Amino acid sequence: EAQVTQNPRYLITVTGKKLTVTCSQNMNHEYMSWYRQDPGLGLRQIYYSMNVEVTDKGDVPEGYKVSRKEKRNFPLILESPSPNQTSLYFCASSWAGLTDTQYFGPGTRLTVL
Amino acid sequence: GENVEQHPSTLSVQEGDSAVIKCTYSDSASNYFPWYKQELGKRPQLIIDIRSNVGEKKDQRIAVTLNKTAKHFSLHITETQPEDSAVYFCATAPVRDNYGQNFVFGPGTRLSVLP
Repeated sequence: EAQVTQNPRYLITVTGKKLTVTCSQNMNHEYMSWYRQDPGLGLRQIYYSMNVEVTDKGDVPEGYKVSRKEKRNFPLILESPSPNQTSLYFCASSWAGLTDTQYFGPGTRLTVL
Repeated sequence: GENVEQHPSTLSVQEGDSAVIKCTYSDSASNYFPWYKQELGKRPQLIIDIRSNVGEKKDQRIAVTLNKTAKHFSLHITETQPEDSAVYFCATAPVRDNYGQNFVFGPGTRLSVLP
C-alpha cells in the first residue's frame, strides 16, 4: 500500500531533550516536506527536500534540523525542544516538486513541557 | 516571501446550498494553486488544483477559479453534503524549473454543512 508513515504519533517530552520524528514513504517520491499545524495559522512549512542530500528551509525552520540520506526517509530533528514547538507535525511527499499532489503522513502530536 | 490570505475563516451552509472560499496571494511568481481538505483528526488531502495557464477547473461538485491579474483564486462547492464538513486550506507555490520554493498555505476555512 502506497503511504507516508510517521513515528511516533504522539510524544510528550521536556524542554531540551533531543528528539527525532521519523518520516518514511514507499512511493519513490523525490520531494518531501515537513509542516507544523497550529490553530489559526494553518500549515507552515518547516523544511523541504527536493532529492537525496538536497534540503532547504521553509517558512519556520528555526529550532529544527532535517536530513535526507535516503530517498524514502526524511527525519525531523529537534536538538533542544522548547514549549513553543508544541504542535501537530505532518510529513508529506510528492512525486516531483510542488506541482504534484502532496501525500501527507498521519501526523505527530508533540507536546514539550 | 509569499503571503496567503483566506476568507472566510468559518462558513456554515445548509445542505444542498453552495459554498465559496476565497484566497488571495502576493507573489506574482506563484503558478500552482491546490486546495486541501482536512477532516477532523485526519491528514490533509488534495481535492483539486489549478495551474496558472487555466482559469477554471471542475471536478464533479467542486470547482476552482483563478484570477492571476487580481491574485486570487476561489473554491466552489455546489450541492453541499454533510460529508463536505471539514477545514479547507488553499496553498500556493512559486514554481521555477518545476520544483519551486517553499509551499505556503492559507490559515484555513472551517466549513459546516447543516442538515
